[in-house]
Amino acid sequence: DQQVKQNSPSLSVQEGRISILNCDYTNSMFDYFLWYKKYPAEGPTFLISISSIKDKNEDGRFTVFLNKSAKHLSLHIVPSQPGDSAVYFCAASATGGGNKLTFGTGTQLKVEL
Amino acid sequence: GAGVSQSPSNKVTEKGKDVELRCDPISGHTALYWYRQSLGQGLEFLIYFQGNSAPDKSGLPSDRFSAERTGGSVSTLTIQRTQQEDSAVYLCASSPRGYGYTFGSGTRLTVV
Repeated sequence: DQQVKQNSPSLSVQEGRISILNCDYTNSMFDYFLWYKKYPAEGPTFLISISSIKDKNEDGRFTVFLNKSAKHLSLHIVPSQPGDSAVYFCAASATGGGNKLTFGTGTQLKVEL
Repeated sequence: GAGVSQSPSNKVTEKGKDVELRCDPISGHTALYWYRQSLGQGLEFLIYFQGNSAPDKSGLPSDRFSAERTGGSVSTLTIQRTQQEDSAVYLCASSPRGYGYTFGSGTRLTVV
């Protein structure tokens, strides 16, 4: 039962353009969402998060949008840079869940020159 | 050290053998988590330690898996009688509180 889904295993974008990574969830108890970035042979690193009381959070080139009614969130990267090429994981947590995160399967982003 | 340290980075073991994976969290981080990533899968929660509280073991896939955390610091994940489906990257993370996880680089376990 995949409660957090990233339906696009890969995405290719040209440098300077916008990258949009999508994530869907099924558990209505989730109230905190995070994006992690992972390079090969390294652990995931935290990128940006959003609480369910918000619908948008922005940090530099990265913006996360949350649509609670659709149970959908997205990560926008603009402008995309070659160094952004990595696997991006969406994760979700529920209050009272002890800070456990439920992760999606990841989207491999490739930013091409 | 500055980050979460995991050892070994790679482990190849024969089916049926026991393995121990080690995690050194960031000093002062009270919470420690173990996740694993199997091929083509997302990160799967295994176990969570928070301070002196009883660990949350709800993610351990079978009784062959166990983990301990000594002195609120180093943690060891033990897999007994390894099976091929145990092959995965095992990731440890620590946090001072909340969701501010810092992950280690992981241990790639291959059961042959």
